[in-house]
Amino acid sequence: GAGVSQSPSNKVTEKGKDVELRCDPISGHTALYWYRQSLGQGLEFLIYFQGNSAPDKSGLPSDRFSAERTGGSVSTLTIQRTQQEDSAVYLCASSFSGTSGFNEQFFGPGTRLTVL
Amino acid sequence: AQSVTQLDSHVSVSEGTPVLLRCNYSSSYSPSLFWYVQHPNKGLQLLLKYTSAATLVKGINGFEAEFKKSETSFHLTKPSAHMSDAAEYFCVVSVYNQGGKLIFGQGTELSVKP
Repeated sequence: GAGVSQSPSNKVTEKGKDVELRCDPISGHTALYWYRQSLGQGLEFLIYFQGNSAPDKSGLPSDRFSAERTGGSVSTLTIQRTQQEDSAVYLCASSFSGTSGFNEQFFGPGTRLTVL
Repeated sequence: AQSVTQLDSHVSVSEGTPVLLRCNYSSSYSPSLFWYVQHPNKGLQLLLKYTSAATLVKGINGFEAEFKKSETSFHLTKPSAHMSDAAEYFCVVSVYNQGGKLIFGQGTELSVKP
């Protein structure tokens, strides 16, 4: 079966531009997560969706970052006015349910964002 | 607050020798712990998970980990390393009652010499 997919796989943008990153979770998974992997900070949680609502946005680093999820499926992470420190690999994961910490999260291949 | 600490940033072993990747956790609750592996330019893959059912957890590719509450440890082991085991390994804790969000350790890079 299809896993978690993310697009684009690579994105190079200029400082100050807006970018949108897309995540397609595994069909039937109600929970969706965004993480960021960077050299200096390691892997850090950004935001969690249960269905279309986001009960935990605590990891978003600034108000330039936002995310939405529609139809309980696809999610988009938007970064406005990108800065060089936003350069990282953005990972999406989904799991059957977010209401139990036991559920395995399946990760996508990530989007490598480079801000020049 | 919950956290994990991976004690080694890099481990190097020879092929056919045992692997030990060390992880200590901090949690006020009974934790859910995981080990994930990330091969170069590949996505994260779950190796194994501990969810209080058994303290010795077996995972894929011959890896296993033992949960030791008294030592707050969850070390990853494998009896005999293979060249294909070279990768980055992450010890991870699931945050209690917060939707299952994961807190990652800093990672241990495993090198396997022929």
